[in-house]
Amino acid sequence: LAKTTQPISMDSYEGQEVNITCSHNNIATNDYITWYQQFPSQGPRFIIQGYKTKVTNEVASLFIPADRKSSTLSLPRVSLSDTAVYYCLVGDGITGGGNKLTFGTGTQLKVEL
Amino acid sequence: GAVVSQHPSRVICKSGTSVKIECRSLDFQATTMFWYRQFPKQSLMLMATSNEGSKATYEQGVEKDKFLINHASLTLSTLTVTSAHPEDSSFYICSALAPGGRNEKLFFGSGTQLSVL
Repeated sequence: LAKTTQPISMDSYEGQEVNITCSHNNIATNDYITWYQQFPSQGPRFIIQGYKTKVTNEVASLFIPADRKSSTLSLPRVSLSDTAVYYCLVGDGITGGGNKLTFGTGTQLKVEL
Repeated sequence: GAVVSQHPSRVICKSGTSVKIECRSLDFQATTMFWYRQFPKQSLMLMATSNEGSKATYEQGVEKDKFLINHASLTLSTLTVTSAHPEDSSFYICSALAPGGRNEKLFFGSGTQLSVL
């Protein structure tokens, strides 16, 4: 299983760009990288997914270097409502190598005024 | 995105009773669903993998007779906590794997807060 390592917590202010990096040194060829956001007492919410290079959607960007051993979630101009725990997951579901999408510790992002 | 409905959102029960939690994929068929539990300020811990039409696969340390999983249809999986005790109090979350080839995505229910008195 590809293990992920993220910072436990990060602090930011409204309007700033936040970059959260995840390390996944033993990522497999078939693995995708997926980020989720979780608010207290709610289930995680899908944010973005990528395989290599850069992916952008309406809420975030995901940067993946060529070696794919890490990835960075970029949240532009955060607001108070972005205060949440962010999880980086690596895997290919249950197909292919049979990897399971296992949650690491996550990063608690706190956004202040 | 795909929608996964989980019910109930909160349940309080007496010790010794059984509690059933439902997880439904509303707009896609999910051959595979997962059940997690989460303690305060901790990450999600995978309990079991639920496969439609077959027995669930439990993670090490999870009692299969305690946490009964049924995945009778492509849109419904249930988790029954049998003879619940206060130590079973936790936040339970289900997820469903939306089909999409190699880059399948997990979509999560809103969770169930179980409190056992």
